[in-house]
Amino acid sequence: EPEVTQTPSHQVTQMGQEVILRCVPISNHLYFYWYRQILGQKVEFLVSFYNNEISEKSEIFDDQFSVERPDGSNFTLKIRSTKLEDSAMYFCASSGLGDTGELFFGEGSRLTVL
Amino acid sequence: AQSVTQPDIHITVSEGASLELRCNYSYGATPYLFWYVQSPGQGLQLLLKYFSGDTLVQGIKGFEAEFKRSQSSFNLRKPSVHWSDAAEYFCAVAKGKTSYDKVIFGPGTSLSVIP
Repeated sequence: EPEVTQTPSHQVTQMGQEVILRCVPISNHLYFYWYRQILGQKVEFLVSFYNNEISEKSEIFDDQFSVERPDGSNFTLKIRSTKLEDSAMYFCASSGLGDTGELFFGEGSRLTVL
Repeated sequence: AQSVTQPDIHITVSEGASLELRCNYSYGATPYLFWYVQSPGQGLQLLLKYFSGDTLVQGIKGFEAEFKRSQSSFNLRKPSVHWSDAAEYFCAVAKGKTSYDKVIFGPGTSLSVIP
């Protein structure tokens, strides 16, 4: 069964460093998302992406964040200068055309900022 | 803006007992509703979804949910809980059913199952 894959599964970084989280969505999907889950809290929407541009972003998704689909298969989330409060699990999701409405989630990338 | 509340932060049930997890949503139009499950250290798996039609929807793993417009609720039920059902459960709402409509999650209910 096709699945969304994310790398790395866990990354530890120093505050102020740049981090890139990578996602390979399901191959025929066209809509891509990043969500964040701070430990013990709910899953929060960050950004949606379609047709090589951001469709919608939340107030969390400030100038420190960016997304890119560099090569037609990967979908990346970049945090330019990490802060302690960026420590969270980051989930990538994708969905296809049609009225499915279902998001297919990856296993997540845990980011720890020290 | 749409929002989702899950009144129960944590629920403990005995194995074999029935389960109901509550979900209430706030949205002006017809919402599109989902239940996701997250096992420890894992991603999010869709249990079931409601778009229209029959208000009682069946999902995977023996779960079902009932949409009640008058109560703005979409409660998840299972007649007999298994130990493997212990997980975090998230109710979610989307303002549309097209693929680009973002999904908003509730705070989650943690389910513990005791033998």
